[in-house]
Amino acid sequence: DAKTTQPPSMDCAEGRAANLPCNHSTISGNEYVYWYRQIHSQGPQYIIHGLKNNETNEMASLIITEDRKSSTLILPHATLRDTAVYYCIVRVGFSGGTSYGKLTFGQGTILTVHP
Amino acid sequence: ETGVTQTPRHLVMGMTNKKSLKCEQHLGHNAMYWYKQSAKKPLELMFVYNFKEQTENNSVPSRFSPECPNSSHLFLHLHTLQPEDSALYLCASSQDRTGSGTDTQYFGPGTRLTVL
Repeated sequence: DAKTTQPPSMDCAEGRAANLPCNHSTISGNEYVYWYRQIHSQGPQYIIHGLKNNETNEMASLIITEDRKSSTLILPHATLRDTAVYYCIVRVGFSGGTSYGKLTFGQGTILTVHP
Repeated sequence: ETGVTQTPRHLVMGMTNKKSLKCEQHLGHNAMYWYKQSAKKPLELMFVYNFKEQTENNSVPSRFSPECPNSSHLFLHLHTLQPEDSALYLCASSQDRTGSGTDTQYFGPGTRLTVL
């Protein structure tokens, strides 16, 4: 799976948009971009994933550049409860058979939302 | 609430004890996973089960013994652990949906294990 690079930490004011970048310059055509977050000592929480197109759900938006070498997770109106470690993960998609592939977690970005 | 539950949430055990961690998923998924998260380290995949069959063992020591009696339940049996095995143990499950191209893993809250 492709390696990702994320800033170690970011700050965001409550109510503002949080934009978390991720570089994955060696991503392959069949690799998806996944985002998870982990609030202190809890299990990781799935946020969103995408392949080529931008994606949006009730939690966040995912913007993937046209060359797919980087992406940005956007939390449109950050709250104090969004303070967490955010992980950008690139992994191979389903290729048939037993593809249940690894999620390789890095160090992630510590997002701190302050009042 | 992700639909994946783990018990116990906290466990303290001695090095000579035998204990088991339990995971149950209520999502109808067919794949289940054990991960380990040590302090200040990223999550590490330990085991993968697909339709009750183990499909991956990520070089885990034999003092960790997984069991998957059915697609909804996953156990991690622990014996003669070492203090360095103290960590957060996380269970996850997933289901590939035909045509979706990928499967998404959903995690439980974890069991915080301390080995004395």
